[in-house]
Amino acid sequence: GDSVTQMEGPVTLSEEAFLTINCTYTATGYPSLFWYVQYPGEGLQLLLKATKADDKGSNKGFEATYRKETTSFHLEKGSVQVSDSAVYFCALSEGQNFVFGPGTRLSVLP
Amino acid sequence: DVKVTQSSRYLVKRTGEKVFLECVQDMDHENMFWYRQDPGLGLRLIYFSYDVKMKEKGDIPEGYSVSREKKERFSLILESASTNQTSMYLCASRIDRGFSYEQYFGPGTRLTVT
Repeated sequence: GDSVTQMEGPVTLSEEAFLTINCTYTATGYPSLFWYVQYPGEGLQLLLKATKADDKGSNKGFEATYRKETTSFHLEKGSVQVSDSAVYFCALSEGQNFVFGPGTRLSVLP
Repeated sequence: DVKVTQSSRYLVKRTGEKVFLECVQDMDHENMFWYRQDPGLGLRLIYFSYDVKMKEKGDIPEGYSVSREKKERFSLILESASTNQTSMYLCASRIDRGFSYEQYFGPGTRLTVT
């Protein structure tokens, strides 16, 4: 079945550092891919998405590119802020099926 | 903006009590979901509904039931709460937009069963 794998956390960075959170997926067809963010004590918010190969999703300085050849959707940000501290979930949807990765906790230190 | 609301942010109940968690969405979405989130286990799907009065079991339905009497409202019911149901409960609503099935989440209810 479909699955999503994310890098193990927690990830701890200093402010203004470069961020990469790896995400790879397994799917039978052509899924849509998403990154969600969960701030402390809150629900999940959609951060960005891509619906087909080579699409780049971007929002709030974050971006991710749908790479079909490597079945990946890595999240990147050039300069993180303390306010980016949260848990990040990679997810896919294929037809009616929606699958989340386990989440990666990011802590950004001032 | 899509809005998904949950009736309580924090709830404390006793073992054996019947617990109702309410979720309301304001965007006329057909599909609604209940997940629980636990450290190290990520999100696990409890139940979902794709239409009024329709429901489907997710991955961990044991100990839970649901009700969908109106399109905008999806309730999760713990018939007899137990301590292992202490968790964060997240409701979601889904729009079907072409090939992209985005889910929108409520703020969550942190339930403690003592």
